[in-house]
Amino acid sequence: QVQLVQSGAEVKKPGASVKVSCKASGYTFTGYYMHWVRQAPGQGLEWMGWINPNSGGTNYAQKFQGRVTMTRDTSISTAYMELSRLRSDDTAVYYCARLDYDSSGYGYDYWGQGTLVTVSS
Amino acid sequence: EIVLTQSPGTLSLSPGERATLSCRASQSVSSSYLAWYQQKPGQAPRLLIYGASSRATGIPDRFSGSGSGTDFTLTISRLEPEDFAVYYCQQYGSSHTFGGGTKVEIK
Repeated sequence: QVQLVQSGAEVKKPGASVKVSCKASGYTFTGYYMHWVRQAPGQGLEWMGWINPNSGGTNYAQKFQGRVTMTRDTSISTAYMELSRLRSDDTAVYYCARLDYDSSGYGYDYWGQGTLVTVSS
Repeated sequence: EIVLTQSPGTLSLSPGERATLSCRASQSVSSSYLAWYQQKPGQAPRLLIYGASSRATGIPDRFSGSGSGTDFTLTISRLEPEDFAVYYCQQYGSSHTFGGGTKVEIK
């Protein structure tokens, strides 16, 4: 069965970086784009960007350009999201999500369990 | 960037009632690129509807999606106790933005 398992919670100081991992299993990792979405406490969902695990190509939301880097290691079917120059308003749960599509359209059919990143001095 | 506006912010209904949730886009969105998600507290979102009207695997037929262009609707025909949650629409056309969400709460 398809699973996306993310790394554990992190506590970081302002200005630091965080790297969250998302290990995929149960499907061909390189066959589906992986997206990252975050959710601040009590707030809505915010799209951050995607990575094509096959080519390594990426596309980031303008808001995060210059601060976010998405990478992958196909040998271990794992995607990574690194966010630098952390601020307190980066405190959020970060999710990876697999994008599936068919003739009708697109959707995130599997999600990781989420990783809480807390930024605090 | 396409902005999605969901209304109402909160919907207070009783089990068995019909829920109608709206998602309005600031620019036209291809129907293929519009999805709806359900999120319960402490859980990751779950895909309900993709391509504006196609139910995802395992989603009960009381959930239906409709609409085109800039106006989309999620309808829950008869609310079950497990349907009380927050619902988000998302578009994939430009920057993959989400709407702000509609909370469906028990009246």
